[in-house]
Amino acid sequence: AQRVTQPEKLLSVFKGAPVELKCNYSYSGSPELFWYVQYSRQRLQLLLRHISRESIKGFTADLNKGETSFHLKKPFAQEEDSAMYYCALRSNNNDMRFGAGTRLTVKP
Amino acid sequence: GAGVSQSPSNKVTEKGKDVELRCDPISGHTALYWYRQSLGQGLEFLIYFQGNSAPDKSGLPSDRFSAERTGGSVSTLTIQRTQQEDSAVYLCASSLRGGKETQYFGPGTRLLVL
Repeated sequence: AQRVTQPEKLLSVFKGAPVELKCNYSYSGSPELFWYVQYSRQRLQLLLRHISRESIKGFTADLNKGETSFHLKKPFAQEEDSAMYYCALRSNNNDMRFGAGTRLTVKP
Repeated sequence: GAGVSQSPSNKVTEKGKDVELRCDPISGHTALYWYRQSLGQGLEFLIYFQGNSAPDKSGLPSDRFSAERTGGSVSTLTIQRTQQEDSAVYLCASSLRGGKETQYFGPGTRLLVL
């Protein structure tokens, strides 16, 4: 069975500082990894997926199969990045599993 | 077009009562998911419907939980004999065909069991 671990429940950084939200996974097959974000009073929404290799709102995430990680990074955090971030894994049979989430606070 | 909608937005019930939560997916989306979002527990997968296939019920926490999807569209999540630990936000998501498609989430139903 797949499992997603986000070791940090809370993360606080100052505006302009780099930020890294950690995500580790366990899955015997070939995973598809995602980051979802939930801003205050808004719906959960997709931020990025590893297969797209894209940068969204300055965030990037690289799938490291050797370390089974998919950490989310941004070089210069902004106050509007404050939100709840969830890492998710989709298995070959389309089951989605989410991590417990990390609440990011970017202080002015 | 409208996104995923859920009703009610909030539900307060007494322990032992049954509750029904409704999800209206985006029109044309064949895949529908239910999740539970508990404080400190993150998002917990409950059940997944894909077209006319048998649903994946592997995430349902107990036999008090069940879900139906009528006509391949609207879905109802039913919790029988509610317990206080059932208190959470219940989220529904839909995607066009499941698989590689992006999931779109509803606003959730906040359930409080007293």
